[in-house]
Amino acid sequence: GAGVSQSPSNKVTEKGKDVELRCDPISGHTALYWYRQSLGQGLEFLIYFQGNSAPDKSGLPSDRFSAERTGGSVSTLTIQRTQQEDSAVYLCASSLAREKWDYGYTFGSGTRLTVV
Amino acid sequence: AQKITQTQPGMFVQEKEAVTLDCTYDTSDQSYGLFWYKQPSSGEMIFLIYQGSYDEQNATEGRYSLNFQKARKSANLVISASQLGDSAMYFCAMREEWNDMRFGAGTRLTVKP
Repeated sequence: GAGVSQSPSNKVTEKGKDVELRCDPISGHTALYWYRQSLGQGLEFLIYFQGNSAPDKSGLPSDRFSAERTGGSVSTLTIQRTQQEDSAVYLCASSLAREKWDYGYTFGSGTRLTVV
Repeated sequence: AQKITQTQPGMFVQEKEAVTLDCTYDTSDQSYGLFWYKQPSSGEMIFLIYQGSYDEQNATEGRYSLNFQKARKSANLVISASQLGDSAMYFCAMREEWNDMRFGAGTRLTVKP
C-alpha cells in the first residue's frame, strides 16, 4: 500500500482481556518496528522485524507482549491479560533495512489502546 | 547512553514568527542520518526533514530548515512563519548505519495567535 496501515485506530478493552493490534507495512519495506507511546511521553521501542530473521524482542516490557510477522509483511502485536498500564498509543513503522542509514521510518497512524 | 538530546520540553512562539527547536546527538560514526518528525494531537508521526552526515548544505523543506552543525553535533529545526497548525510534538531522530533509529524525548511546540 501507499502508507503504513494500522488497525484498529482505537480499542477499548476490559482489564484482563487479550488484544491484537495489526500493522500492514509499506510494500518492499523489509524492516518493521513497534513502538509504544504513553500519554505525553516519548517513543518506547518494543520489537523489530527484519525480513525473515529472528525478531529483536529486547524492548518488550513483559511476557504478556508478543508479536509476529507473517510472510515478511503484516505484523500482529498481541497483549495478553491487559493491564491499565498498557493503555497507550501503539505505533508501527516500516523502513528499508538497518544498513540504510539515510532512509527514514514511515509510521502508521497508531492504535490508541484504552484498558478500563 | 542518550544518543539524542532535546533540551526543550516545551516551547511557545507567536504566530508568524520563527522558532528554533534544539537537538544534539552523539555518535562516533561517519555515516548517519538526522530526521525530524512532527506529531500532532492526532498521534500520527509525520516526517518533516532529513539531513545526511555527508550533506554540506543545510536541508530545507518549505518552511522547515535544519541548521546542521556537524562539529557541534547539533541538528536544530527552524520553522519560519509559524502557523497555528504547527502546534504539535516534535521529535529529533538519528539513524546510524546498521542501527535502528533513535529518538529524542520531544519538544512540545505551542503557537499562540
